[in-house]
Amino acid sequence: KQEVTQIPAALSVPEGENLVLNCSFTDSAIYNLQWFRQDPGKGLTSLLLIQSSQREQTSGRLNASLDKSSGRSTLYIAASQPGDSATYLCAGRVNDYKLSFGAGTTVTVRA
Amino acid sequence: DAGVIQSPRHEVTEMGQEVTLRCKPISGHNSLFWYRQTMMRGLELLIYFNNNVPIDDSGMPEDRFSAKMPNASFSTLKIQPSEPRDSAVYFCASSSGPSTEAFFGQGTRLTVV
Repeated sequence: KQEVTQIPAALSVPEGENLVLNCSFTDSAIYNLQWFRQDPGKGLTSLLLIQSSQREQTSGRLNASLDKSSGRSTLYIAASQPGDSATYLCAGRVNDYKLSFGAGTTVTVRA
Repeated sequence: DAGVIQSPRHEVTEMGQEVTLRCKPISGHNSLFWYRQTMMRGLELLIYFNNNVPIDDSGMPEDRFSAKMPNASFSTLKIQPSEPRDSAVYFCASSSGPSTEAFFGQGTRLTVV
């Protein structure tokens, strides 16, 4: 069974600082890994999808890396802004459809 | 596209009542998922449809839960009878196929009193 862990559970940084969010998974045989953002009381917004054959994926200020051998993915958010405050979830796809989610990291960016 | 659309956004019902949650996936997507989110258990997959056919319903907690997908643009999740422990946020998600990016709806917050 795929276990996905996100540490820390919460993070508070001043505006402008770069954010580093960690995700670890137990089964390296993942199909791909997806990062999501969830605002309070809202749904999940897809941020990035990294295929198992890729090492990283970039979108604007966001960069996600994937290291299957160590069972880790990292989401980098450059020059954080108060609007980046949210919960960030990673999910590993354990077969061709099922996502196993981490518990998330709640980020607060202080103005 | 408006994204995945779920209704209602909030539902409060009494224990024992039937509850029906609705989902309209993104047009052209042939994979549909129902997830449940709770503080204790996080996000759990309840059921997965591919081309309107249920492929994996192993996450459906009990026989009180049932899901249908009568066509490519509509799915329902029904709980009958509902119980307080069913209180959670239920999400519908869709994707263009297996292993592709999943897009989630805004969720239905269900409260059973």
